Amino acid sequence: DAGVIQSPRHEVTEMGQEVTLRCKPISGHNSLFWYRQTMMRGLELLIYFNNNVPIDDSGMPEDRFSAKMPNASFSTLKIQPSEPRDSAVYFCASSAGENTGELFFGEGSRLTVL
Amino acid sequence: QKEVEQNSGPLSVPEGAIASLNCTYSDRVSQSFFWYRQYSGKSPELIMSIYSNGDKEDGRFTAQLNKASQYVSLLIRDSQPSDSATYLCAVNGGNYQLIWGAGTKLIIKP
Repeated sequence: DAGVIQSPRHEVTEMGQEVTLRCKPISGHNSLFWYRQTMMRGLELLIYFNNNVPIDDSGMPEDRFSAKMPNASFSTLKIQPSEPRDSAVYFCASSAGENTGELFFGEGSRLTVL
Repeated sequence: QKEVEQNSGPLSVPEGAIASLNCTYSDRVSQSFFWYRQYSGKSPELIMSIYSNGDKEDGRFTAQLNKASQYVSLLIRDSQPSDSATYLCAVNGGNYQLIWGAGTKLIIKP
C-alpha cells in the first residue's frame, strides 16, 4: 500500500496568496483527518471527515480555512488568504474505522508564509 | 478540558538501557491509548496501542496501562540510537477525537 499521500511537501508563499494542500488517503479508509503541527501548539485537529462528510470542523482556525472531500480518495485543505501565522506542518491522516485512534499519517506539507 | 500530560524532556538514556516514557490523562472515561513515534522532520507513526489494564508487549516495546491511576507508559528495552525521536501519547475517549500530549523527546546516547 502506498500509504497516505500528501502534496506539496513544501510550500513557500507570500502573505495573501491562496494555498491548496492535497491528500490521498489509504484506499478503504473511511475516516480522514487534517492536522496542523507547530512547536508552540503541538498537533491540532483542524477537521475530520467520515465517509467523505465533514463531521467536525471546529478546529478550523477561521473562515480563511476550508476543506473538501469530494470523493473517498481525495481531500483538499485551502487557505485563502494566507498569513504568516499559518506557517506550520499540515498533516493528513486516515484510519479504517470511525472511532479508532489508529491513524496513518502522510508525510506532511510544510507551509511557510512570508 | 481533557488533557494529556507528558514530560517534554529531553530524556537521555544510554544505549542498551531501558527507556521509560510516561503519560497521564485527565478524562476517566478514556478507553484507548496510543503511542506514536515522530522522528525529526517526519510524521507521527503508530507504534503501540493498548486498550485494557496491564502490559502489552511488542518486540522491544512494552505499553503499560493503569486506568485507576490514569497513567500509561511506554518502555523501550535495549534502547538503540535509532529510537531517538519524540514520542507522542494519545488518548481516545470513544469517538473520533484523539487528545494528544505534547510529546517527550528521547535521546539514546551511544
